[in-house]
Amino acid sequence: DAKTTQPPSMDCAEGRAANLPCNHSTISGNEYVYWYRQIHSQGPQYIIHGLKNNETNEMASLIITEDRKSSTLILPHATLRDTAVYYCIVRGTGANSKLTFGKGITLSVRP
Amino acid sequence: DTEVTQTPKHLVMGMTNKKSLKCEQHMGHRAMYWYKQKAKKPPELMFVYSYEKLSINESVPSRFSPECPNSSLLNLHLHALQPEDSALYLCASSQEPLGESYEQYFGPGTRLTVT
Repeated sequence: DAKTTQPPSMDCAEGRAANLPCNHSTISGNEYVYWYRQIHSQGPQYIIHGLKNNETNEMASLIITEDRKSSTLILPHATLRDTAVYYCIVRGTGANSKLTFGKGITLSVRP
Repeated sequence: DTEVTQTPKHLVMGMTNKKSLKCEQHMGHRAMYWYKQKAKKPPELMFVYSYEKLSINESVPSRFSPECPNSSLLNLHLHALQPEDSALYLCASSQEPLGESYEQYFGPGTRLTVT
């Protein structure tokens, strides 16, 4: 039972912003939106997470719609090293707080 | 130090062998996890340890046996595996188990091949 829906792939030019969409229309009020990425042959890497408000850190920005049914991960200046599979995960707390990875979106950054 | 280390990086074993995977973190995290990742698939949770006690077993076959000797170490003992168990095995840790908004830090994984 996938909680999130992501396009299978997208690409962007190096130096441009990469906007990765995610739909989570069944999200509950206490569930967080997490983003991880996995560069080929490496372990997943935490990027960012949010509950209601938009969030920004040194890696990315997370924009969550007001109804919380979708979000967008923004990599402001994509580099070739950002080529990876990006996972959008809805995660609760307590007994429902497991990380359940979906298929993710493959981002290809082209020179 | 935000590193989770895993050894070995690669492991080839026969179906009758017994081997162990090791995971270590020195971030003071109290939760540790094992995931399995088949080729071109997302990671799947296998086990969760919370304060050194097994808290979640995702119906994993008994040929996989986890162990948490202390808060920094996590082992996965393997016995009588099948070729379909060949996968990347990932270890992760987080500050608190299953708590509010605690991100997980992943190791690089052990690539296991069962022959």
